[in-house]
Formats: sequence, C-alpha cells, structure tokens
Amino acid sequence: AQRVTQPEKLLSVFKGAPVELKCNYSYSGSPELFWYVQYSRQRLQLLLRHISRESIKGFTADLNKGETSFHLKKPFAQEEDSAMYYCALRAPYNQGGKLIFGQGTELSVKP
Amino acid sequence: DVKVTQSSRYLVKRTGEKVFLECVQDMDHENMFWYRQDPGLGLRLIYFSYDVKMKEKGDIPEGYSVSREKKERFSLILESASTNQTSMYLCASSFGGPNQPQHFGDGTRLSIL
Repeated sequence: AQRVTQPEKLLSVFKGAPVELKCNYSYSGSPELFWYVQYSRQRLQLLLRHISRESIKGFTADLNKGETSFHLKKPFAQEEDSAMYYCALRAPYNQGGKLIFGQGTELSVKP
Repeated sequence: DVKVTQSSRYLVKRTGEKVFLECVQDMDHENMFWYRQDPGLGLRLIYFSYDVKMKEKGDIPEGYSVSREKKERFSLILESASTNQTSMYLCASSFGGPNQPQHFGDGTRLSIL
C-alpha cells in the first residue's frame, strides 16, 4: 500500500541553522512527490514537486529511490519559514490519482 | 491565479443536523477533493471527483456524502452531524494528468455541538 511518513511532528531550529524535514514513502513504481506548506492563517499551498527539480524559497528536495525518501532541505532557516509542512505522494491513476499526505511536520524557527 | 473558494470559514452546527459545505473553483479543473485536517493525523481524503456527477470514496467516507452537479462546484454533506466530525475541512482542485498539483481553499472550521 502507498504510504507517506513524516517522523517528526515538530522541528525547532534557530535562525540561520540548516533545516531538514524528513519524508519517507512506500510505493512500487515511479513516484510523484510534492511538498506543501501552510503558513499561519493561510491556505495550504504547493511548495515544490520533485519533477520540477527547482528551489523554492531556498528549499530543495531530492528524490532518493534507494532510500525511498524525499527530504526537504534548506541551508539557512529564516523565521518566516515557520509553518506546517506536508509531504504528499500521488497514488496510481487507476486509484484516481489522489494525493496521500503525511502527518505533517511543524517547523518552528526561533530568532 | 487559481481560486478555490469555500463558502464559510467558520461554521457551528448541532448534533443530528444535516450540514452542507460548498466549494467552487474557477480554473475549469476536472478533479475536486474534500479532506479533513486534524492535528497529528495530517490530511485525510473524504471523497473526490474527477468529473461532473462522478464521485469516489476516499479514506474516510463514513458519515459523509458529496455532490458534483457542475464542474466548478463540489459539495460535502454531513448527513447527520456528530461531534467527532468537528474538524477543519479543506477543499482542493486540480487538472487531470501527471504531476498536476492540487490547489486548496482556505478551509472551513466546523464545530458540532
């Protein structure tokens, strides 16, 4: 069965420190993976997707098929990065192509 | 810019009431979704629809139903509200096809008393 695991409920770092939010998935085949972010009192929004191989707001995420991971990284955290982060995996299209979300990690960046 | 609009930000209802949550998107997206968001549980899919009048059960459909009479509108119905349905409800929409992201509404915080 497809599954997404975010092992940390809360991650607290100081401003300027590196950040890594962990995401592991289980999926047979080529996964489509996304990171979504929800800032306080704002809607959930797409941060990045693995297919794009882009850096958004200084964040990057590399798909590691060997370790079945898609960790989100940023070299120097900023206070405005404080938010809830969700990793998501797209289910196969014969299952409607729905997104399967992890439990979420709350990132708190302290001054 | 994609706009997904949920009819209410906050809603308070009583146990046993029939509750309607409305969602409208303006991007001609084929797919629409309803989730509930609970602390520690992430987002759980209730129902989704990939075409008008089509619906598919998600992971937690019990106690809910949906309606999609028009492409832009997807309604979530709580047939007989119960206190364990108190939650944040999120609507999302997307194009079909690979690697298409979902776009979310602001959410409806529903309290069942």
